[in-house]
Amino acid sequence: QSVLTQPPSVSAAPGQKVTISCSGSSSNIGNNYVSWYQQLPGTAPKLLIYDNDKRPSGIPDRFSGSKSGTSATLGITGLQTGDEADYYCGTWDSSLSVVFGAGTKVTVL
Amino acid sequence: QVQLVQSGAEVMKPGSSVKVSCKASGGTFSDYTFTWVRQAPGQGLEWMGRIIPILGIANFAQKFQGRVTITADKSTSTVYMELSSLTSDDTAVYYCAREEALISVNHIRPRWFDPWGQGTLVTVSS
Repeated sequence: QSVLTQPPSVSAAPGQKVTISCSGSSSNIGNNYVSWYQQLPGTAPKLLIYDNDKRPSGIPDRFSGSKSGTSATLGITGLQTGDEADYYCGTWDSSLSVVFGAGTKVTVL
Repeated sequence: QVQLVQSGAEVMKPGSSVKVSCKASGGTFSDYTFTWVRQAPGQGLEWMGRIIPILGIANFAQKFQGRVTITADKSTSTVYMELSSLTSDDTAVYYCAREEALISVNHIRPRWFDPWGQGTLVTVSS
């Protein structure tokens, strides 16, 4: 069972918006940076969002991140078929470990 | 921009050890922190540990304490992860990644992991 809670799946039609929540506690999200990763089928994870809300170069502005208290959120607007993937949030926990959410599968209807 | 290339797939017997390599290129090896994450079939990401070559520091998730060793060879810009006493539960894809972290006297807190190696499938089977 993951320390960070994500919904197992979200879905929407092409062009629509989805949000993925990542819920934690003061031991992790509340006092540390959150990052988000996209994992396309059969590939390694790829950094999407770092430092809660920053996008690396090359990541479209359709992807956004935010953090409030002990929760973080990833938003994807203008959904495309190529966005079908698993998405993971990650952060540091006071148990002296990196923790990840269990992942959220995005399906484009 | 650093790139990470990992060693190939391994099939191991229960009780044995496996050593996976991760070669860095395109950057200054000593400037980086490297982390290892694994992913069991159909499962999520699980952090195993990290190494900071310039400081000679390695630390590990409690779950893997005593069973995992992470080393770095600065001469070849290669990081290694060795996992011992393998069981079928260790069947997974193992990833290395560069870790950007806040490092102080009291703690090492990650900010992000990028880039990632391509992954190495380790299968443990009798």
